[in-house]
Amino acid sequence: QQQVRQSPQSLTVWEGETAILNCSYEDSTFNYFPWYQQFPGEGPALLISIRSVSDKKEDGRFTIFFNKREKKLSLHITDSQPGDSATYFCAASDNNNNAPRFGAGTKLSVKP
Amino acid sequence: AQTIHQWPVAEIKAVGSPLSLGCTIKGKSSPNLYWYWQATGGTLQQLFYSITVGQVESVVQLNLSASRPKDDQFILSTEKLLLSHSGFYLCAWGPGDTQYFGPGTRLLVL
Repeated sequence: QQQVRQSPQSLTVWEGETAILNCSYEDSTFNYFPWYQQFPGEGPALLISIRSVSDKKEDGRFTIFFNKREKKLSLHITDSQPGDSATYFCAASDNNNNAPRFGAGTKLSVKP
Repeated sequence: AQTIHQWPVAEIKAVGSPLSLGCTIKGKSSPNLYWYWQATGGTLQQLFYSITVGQVESVVQLNLSASRPKDDQFILSTEKLLLSHSGFYLCAWGPGDTQYFGPGTRLLVL
């Protein structure tokens, strides 16, 4: 049973456009949602995260929108750059100090 | 600042041969440590975690084992590799809900 789902599987945008990556989850006990960015051949790196008490988290060009009622969240990357081309993983965890559950990832390509 | 080191960087091994991958974290006392496996283009599958020396919990075994001989060291091993073991192995540390990953070890089993 996949507890964290991501869509689309892959996404291509032009430089300067806004990329929107979607994530949904099933377990209502999840209350912390980190997003990771992974470049080919490297380990994932924490990009931005949000807790369920908030509905929005912004960090520069990266913004998470969170809808607790629908159990959905999205990562918006504004003014996309070729250097943003990477795979983005949405993850979810609960309060019990458990490691997060990861989605299958969205591979983003930004064309110059 | 915490640093996490994995060795080797990459390995090419024969089916049936043994394997040992290592991970060391510096700058963090008594971290929670994790092993993940990632198929090419795939998601992150947690394999093992350890919250203290000598104690390791299995999440998904995949005919692998793990040990934590020191506070800052985590070892992943098997006596007989399978073709399905090919992939990217990542060590991570964290307080629990946030994972900080190492650079990974690329393994190809032929």
